[in-house]
Amino acid sequence: GAVVSQHPSRVICKSGTSVKIECRSLDFQATTMFWYRQFPKKSLMLMATSNEGSKATYEQGVEKDKFLINHASLTLSTLTVTSAHPEDSSFYICSARDLSAGEPGTQYFGPGTRLTVL
Amino acid sequence: KQEVTQIPAALSVPEGENLVLNCSFTDSAIYNLQWFRQDPGKGLTSLLLIQSSQREQTSGRLNASLDKSSGRSTLYIAASQPGDSATYLCAGGAYSGAGSYQLTFGKGTKLSVIP
Repeated sequence: GAVVSQHPSRVICKSGTSVKIECRSLDFQATTMFWYRQFPKKSLMLMATSNEGSKATYEQGVEKDKFLINHASLTLSTLTVTSAHPEDSSFYICSARDLSAGEPGTQYFGPGTRLTVL
Repeated sequence: KQEVTQIPAALSVPEGENLVLNCSFTDSAIYNLQWFRQDPGKGLTSLLLIQSSQREQTSGRLNASLDKSSGRSTLYIAASQPGDSATYLCAGGAYSGAGSYQLTFGKGTKLSVIP
């Protein structure tokens, strides 16, 4: 199947700093990518839908100024956690949607990024 | 709003046993339902996808069923192996009123297969 990569896989940062996470579709183009957050023993919560060339669509309760999303190309979306605080520590997973076979497409998931804010 | 529930939250079985994982969803207007596997600290691997018009899908020792009318899906694992130990997530896919497609996930069932 198709491959989606995330970088970095783990990041530890100090409170108040910003962290950027990259999500890449390696062998297909993705006009839409999704960013999820996962807490221990909880389900994946959709944070936002990243649309290539346009603004991201954020889910209710997700601060768009806190979690900046940029989808500048058909293979790359970035999530920047601005002024990170310990409560932002979590496992962040992206997925990219392959529409080559038509709607609704197939979502391929990245390996996740573990963010720890000290 | 779609809600997906998975029971049990955790399951421990001896190697070789057949087992069933359960998933229920509140909105029957799903487009499809997917089962994923997640290993600790890792991303998701898609196991099976069932379209709303289908009743079941099979892949190797895995069989997933879908009953839209009752809002239920099951994942059957035959002859379980220690390598099957992981968290299994089900997710309902649907289009929102705005026309965007989204997956709604359950919390998962953590499976441990004891050698």
